[in-house]
Amino acid sequence: SQKIEQNSEALNIQEGKTATLTCNYTNYSPAYLQWYRQDPGRGPVFLLLIRENEKEKRKERLKVTFDTTLKQSLFHVTASQPADSATYLCALDSGGYQKVTFGTGTKLQVIP
Amino acid sequence: DARVTQTPRHKVTEMGQEVTMRCQPILGHNTVFWYRQTMMQGLELLAYFRNRAPLDDSGMPKDRFSAEMPDATLATLKIQPSEPRDSAVYFCASGPLPSDEQFFGPGTRLTVL
Repeated sequence: SQKIEQNSEALNIQEGKTATLTCNYTNYSPAYLQWYRQDPGRGPVFLLLIRENEKEKRKERLKVTFDTTLKQSLFHVTASQPADSATYLCALDSGGYQKVTFGTGTKLQVIP
Repeated sequence: DARVTQTPRHKVTEMGQEVTMRCQPILGHNTVFWYRQTMMQGLELLAYFRNRAPLDDSGMPKDRFSAEMPDATLATLKIQPSEPRDSAVYFCASGPLPSDEQFFGPGTRLTVL
């Protein structure tokens, strides 16, 4: 069966360090993968999209990698700040027009 | 600053009652999505529309849920009759073509007693 796995345990990291979150999937062949940020009581906010023919994408302090052989995406937050504390969701192309399936998210806590 | 709006933000109702949630997508966005989020299941796609036409509602319990887009500025999600297991946060999102990015509303927190 299809599965998207994100670490359900919260990731606690010291301010200034690089946080790395993982998104693993099985039985999907996504043309692209997205990462969203969700703060408590709010809707998800789009951060980055990476396509299957791209290895890496960057936006400011964020970096995403996509390895279709390993069926894995890594999401890096460099020089992390307390304001980066949130839940981060990966979403995979599910084969329909703009249709994606979301992982359950990983909560990132950046400690000052 | 264009945003997706949803009403109501909170709804408490009793089992068996009808619930209607409304969404105003961002002007010019062609695709509208309805999601449900719970702690156990995460964010699940219920239905989505392209240019007001339903594309996929396979995630929606058909016997009690219905989704419509009466016009380009309004999407509705109805539950009739509601059940306690429907308690969740319901999000609407819209997206412009050809982008795959989705813009989410603030959600409707539904509690069915």
